[in-house]
Amino acid sequence: SQQGEEDPQALSIQEGENATMNCSYKTSINNLQWYRQNSGRGLVHLILIRSNEREKHSGRLRVTLDTSKKSSSLLITASRAADTASYFCATDQFYFGTGTSLTVIP
Amino acid sequence: NAGVMQNPRHLVRRRGQEARLRCSPMKGHSHVYWYRQLPEEGLKFMVYLQKENIIDESGMPKERFSAEFPKEGPSILRIQQVVRGDSAAYFCASSEAGGLRTEAFFGQGTRLTVV
Repeated sequence: SQQGEEDPQALSIQEGENATMNCSYKTSINNLQWYRQNSGRGLVHLILIRSNEREKHSGRLRVTLDTSKKSSSLLITASRAADTASYFCATDQFYFGTGTSLTVIP
Repeated sequence: NAGVMQNPRHLVRRRGQEARLRCSPMKGHSHVYWYRQLPEEGLKFMVYLQKENIIDESGMPKERFSAEFPKEGPSILRIQQVVRGDSAAYFCASSEAGGLRTEAFFGQGTRLTVV
Protein backbone atom coordinates (compact mmCIF):
# COMPACT_ATOMS: atom_id res chain seq x y z
CA SER A 1 0.00 0.00 0.00
CA GLN A 2 1.22 3.49 -0.76
CA GLN A 3 -0.94 4.97 1.96
CA GLY A 4 0.74 7.64 4.04
CA GLU A 5 0.71 7.41 7.80
CA GLU A 6 0.84 10.57 9.88
CA ASP A 7 2.50 10.96 13.24
CA PRO A 8 1.61 12.00 15.89
CA GLN A 9 -2.08 11.17 15.88
CA ALA A 10 -2.85 14.22 17.99
CA LEU A 11 -0.90 17.34 18.84
CA SER A 12 -1.81 20.19 21.17
CA ILE A 13 0.24 23.41 21.29
CA GLN A 14 -0.02 27.01 22.43
CA GLU A 15 -0.69 29.75 19.93
CA GLY A 16 2.56 31.09 18.55
CA GLU A 17 4.43 27.80 18.85
CA ASN A 18 5.52 25.72 15.89
CA ALA A 19 3.77 22.47 15.01
CA THR A 20 5.53 19.58 13.28
CA MET A 21 3.75 16.60 11.79
CA ASN A 22 5.33 13.63 10.08
CA CYS A 23 4.22 11.31 7.34
CA SER A 24 5.72 7.96 6.45
CA TYR A 25 4.94 5.83 3.44
CA LYS A 26 5.92 2.41 2.24
CA THR A 27 6.63 2.42 -1.48
CA SER A 28 8.30 4.74 -3.98
CA ILE A 29 6.30 7.80 -4.87
CA ASN A 30 6.29 10.49 -7.51
CA ASN A 31 4.84 13.23 -5.37
CA LEU A 32 3.42 13.81 -1.93
CA GLN A 33 0.75 16.25 -0.89
CA TRP A 34 -0.49 17.66 2.41
CA TYR A 35 -4.12 18.51 3.04
CA ARG A 36 -6.05 20.07 5.87
CA GLN A 37 -9.54 19.22 7.09
CA ASN A 38 -11.61 21.36 9.38
CA SER A 39 -14.13 19.43 11.44
CA GLY A 40 -16.89 18.01 9.29
CA ARG A 41 -15.66 19.63 6.09
CA GLY A 42 -13.93 18.44 2.96
CA LEU A 43 -10.17 18.49 2.61
CA VAL A 44 -8.28 21.51 1.37
CA HIS A 45 -5.00 21.21 -0.49
CA LEU A 46 -2.03 22.83 1.24
CA ILE A 47 1.11 21.97 -0.63
CA LEU A 48 2.59 19.49 -3.12
CA ILE A 49 6.21 18.37 -3.08
CA ARG A 50 7.72 16.35 -5.91
CA SER A 51 10.02 13.39 -5.39
CA ASN A 52 13.02 15.35 -6.69
CA GLU A 53 12.44 18.18 -4.20
CA ARG A 54 13.73 18.17 -0.64
CA GLU A 55 11.99 21.19 0.81
CA LYS A 56 9.19 23.54 -0.09
CA HIS A 57 7.69 26.63 1.53
CA SER A 58 4.29 28.23 1.35
CA GLY A 59 3.59 31.07 3.75
CA ARG A 60 3.90 29.67 7.28
CA LEU A 61 4.13 26.11 5.94
CA ARG A 62 7.36 24.25 5.36
CA VAL A 63 7.38 20.73 3.93
CA THR A 64 10.37 18.44 3.69
CA LEU A 65 10.68 15.16 1.84
CA ASP A 66 13.26 12.44 2.45
CA THR A 67 12.77 9.74 -0.14
CA SER A 68 15.55 7.60 1.33
CA LYS A 69 13.61 7.39 4.60
CA LYS A 70 10.24 7.45 2.86
CA SER A 71 9.08 10.27 5.08
CA SER A 72 7.83 13.83 4.92
CA SER A 73 7.26 16.50 7.53
CA LEU A 74 4.93 19.48 7.67
CA LEU A 75 5.97 22.41 9.83
CA ILE A 76 3.52 25.17 10.68
CA THR A 77 5.31 28.14 12.15
CA ALA A 78 3.82 30.72 14.52
CA SER A 79 0.64 28.71 14.89
CA ARG A 80 -2.76 30.35 15.26
CA ALA A 81 -6.00 29.11 16.77
CA ALA A 82 -7.41 28.99 13.24
CA ASP A 83 -4.82 26.32 12.36
CA THR A 84 -6.77 23.87 14.52
CA ALA A 85 -7.70 21.07 12.13
CA SER A 86 -6.69 17.61 11.00
CA TYR A 87 -3.77 17.34 8.61
CA PHE A 88 -3.33 14.51 6.13
CA CYS A 89 -0.61 13.47 3.74
CA ALA A 90 -1.43 11.76 0.47
CA THR A 91 0.76 9.72 -1.81
CA ASP A 92 0.22 8.74 -5.44
CA GLN A 93 -3.38 8.22 -6.48
CA PHE A 94 -4.57 10.18 -3.46
CA TYR A 95 -4.30 7.54 -0.78
CA PHE A 96 -4.57 9.32 2.56
CA GLY A 97 -3.29 8.46 6.00
CA THR A 98 -5.23 8.63 9.24
CA GLY A 99 -4.19 12.21 9.89
CA THR A 100 -2.78 14.32 12.70
CA SER A 101 -5.31 16.23 14.76
CA LEU A 102 -3.80 19.60 15.68
CA THR A 103 -5.24 21.77 18.42
CA VAL A 104 -3.84 25.27 18.85
CA ILE A 105 -4.76 26.76 22.20
CA PRO A 106 -5.28 30.54 22.18
CA ASN B 1 -16.21 27.77 -11.64
CA ALA B 2 -18.14 25.96 -8.96
CA GLY B 3 -16.22 23.57 -6.78
CA VAL B 4 -16.93 19.89 -6.36
CA MET B 5 -20.62 19.52 -5.59
CA GLN B 6 -21.93 16.63 -3.57
CA ASN B 7 -25.55 15.95 -2.85
CA PRO B 8 -27.35 15.37 -0.74
CA ARG B 9 -25.39 16.81 2.17
CA HIS B 10 -27.26 14.59 4.59
CA LEU B 11 -29.01 11.34 3.83
CA VAL B 12 -30.98 9.13 6.20
CA ARG B 13 -31.84 5.62 5.14
CA ARG B 14 -33.45 2.67 6.92
CA ARG B 15 -31.61 -0.60 6.99
CA GLY B 16 -32.11 -2.47 3.75
CA GLN B 17 -32.76 0.61 1.61
CA GLU B 18 -30.54 1.93 -1.12
CA ALA B 19 -28.38 5.04 -0.85
CA ARG B 20 -27.32 7.06 -3.88
CA LEU B 21 -24.65 9.67 -3.44
CA ARG B 22 -23.89 12.09 -6.23
CA CYS B 23 -20.74 13.98 -7.05
CA SER B 24 -20.32 16.61 -9.74
CA PRO B 25 -16.62 17.25 -10.31
CA MET B 26 -15.13 20.62 -11.06
CA LYS B 27 -15.47 21.77 -14.64
CA GLY B 28 -12.79 20.23 -16.78
CA HIS B 29 -11.95 17.49 -14.28
CA SER B 30 -12.25 13.95 -15.57
CA HIS B 31 -10.86 12.10 -12.53
CA VAL B 32 -13.06 11.36 -9.52
CA TYR B 33 -12.21 9.73 -6.20
CA TRP B 34 -14.55 8.53 -3.46
CA TYR B 35 -13.60 8.22 0.20
CA ARG B 36 -15.35 7.13 3.37
CA GLN B 37 -14.64 8.71 6.73
CA LEU B 38 -15.82 7.46 10.08
CA PRO B 39 -15.94 9.91 13.03
CA GLU B 40 -12.48 10.78 14.36
CA GLU B 41 -10.85 8.66 11.65
CA GLY B 42 -8.98 9.30 8.44
CA LEU B 43 -10.16 9.05 4.88
CA LYS B 44 -10.42 5.56 3.52
CA PHE B 45 -9.97 5.34 -0.23
CA MET B 46 -12.81 3.55 -1.97
CA VAL B 47 -12.64 4.01 -5.71
CA TYR B 48 -10.97 6.04 -8.44
CA LEU B 49 -12.83 6.65 -11.68
CA GLN B 50 -12.10 8.37 -14.93
CA LYS B 51 -14.91 9.17 -17.32
CA GLU B 52 -16.79 5.90 -17.98
CA ASN B 53 -14.00 3.80 -16.48
CA ILE B 54 -13.18 2.42 -13.05
CA ILE B 55 -9.44 2.77 -12.63
CA ASP B 56 -9.00 1.46 -9.09
CA GLU B 57 -11.71 0.00 -6.88
CA SER B 58 -9.41 -1.72 -4.42
CA GLY B 59 -10.99 0.10 -1.46
CA MET B 60 -14.55 -0.70 -2.35
CA PRO B 61 -16.36 -3.48 -0.48
CA LYS B 62 -17.04 -6.36 -2.86
CA GLU B 63 -20.74 -6.48 -2.12
CA ARG B 64 -23.47 -3.86 -2.08
CA PHE B 65 -21.22 -0.99 -3.20
CA SER B 66 -20.85 0.24 -6.75
CA ALA B 67 -19.68 3.41 -8.44
CA GLU B 68 -19.98 4.92 -11.86
CA PHE B 69 -18.89 8.05 -13.68
CA PRO B 70 -20.90 8.24 -16.91
CA LYS B 71 -19.98 10.29 -19.94
CA GLU B 72 -22.69 12.77 -19.03
CA GLY B 73 -23.76 13.63 -15.52
CA PRO B 74 -22.34 13.23 -12.05
CA SER B 75 -20.48 10.33 -10.54
CA ILE B 76 -22.71 8.10 -8.44
CA LEU B 77 -21.77 6.01 -5.43
CA ARG B 78 -24.49 3.47 -4.81
CA ILE B 79 -24.91 1.45 -1.65
CA GLN B 80 -27.52 -1.27 -1.77
CA GLN B 81 -29.23 -2.79 1.26
CA VAL B 82 -27.57 -0.39 3.66
CA VAL B 83 -26.57 -1.51 7.15
CA ARG B 84 -25.78 0.50 10.28
CA GLY B 85 -22.07 0.12 9.63
CA ASP B 86 -22.44 2.10 6.40
CA SER B 87 -23.14 5.24 8.44
CA ALA B 88 -20.26 7.60 7.67
CA ALA B 89 -19.29 10.71 5.76
CA TYR B 90 -18.59 10.05 2.11
CA PHE B 91 -16.32 12.49 0.34
CA CYS B 92 -15.74 12.92 -3.33
CA ALA B 93 -12.73 14.61 -4.89
CA SER B 94 -11.85 15.48 -8.46
CA SER B 95 -8.66 16.33 -10.26
CA GLU B 96 -7.69 17.49 -13.68
CA ALA B 97 -5.13 14.74 -14.10
CA GLY B 98 -4.66 11.42 -12.43
CA GLY B 99 -2.31 10.59 -9.60
CA LEU B 100 -0.53 13.39 -7.88
CA ARG B 101 0.35 15.48 -10.91
CA THR B 102 -2.27 17.95 -9.76
CA GLU B 103 -4.10 18.66 -6.56
CA ALA B 104 -7.44 17.16 -5.70
CA PHE B 105 -10.44 19.32 -4.89
CA PHE B 106 -12.91 17.97 -2.37
CA GLY B 107 -16.63 18.30 -1.97
CA GLN B 108 -18.26 18.98 1.39
CA GLY B 109 -19.30 15.38 1.75
CA THR B 110 -22.52 13.44 2.19
CA ARG B 111 -23.30 12.29 5.69
CA LEU B 112 -25.15 9.02 5.54
CA THR B 113 -27.05 7.84 8.58
CA VAL B 114 -28.58 4.39 8.58
CA VAL B 115 -31.33 3.93 11.13
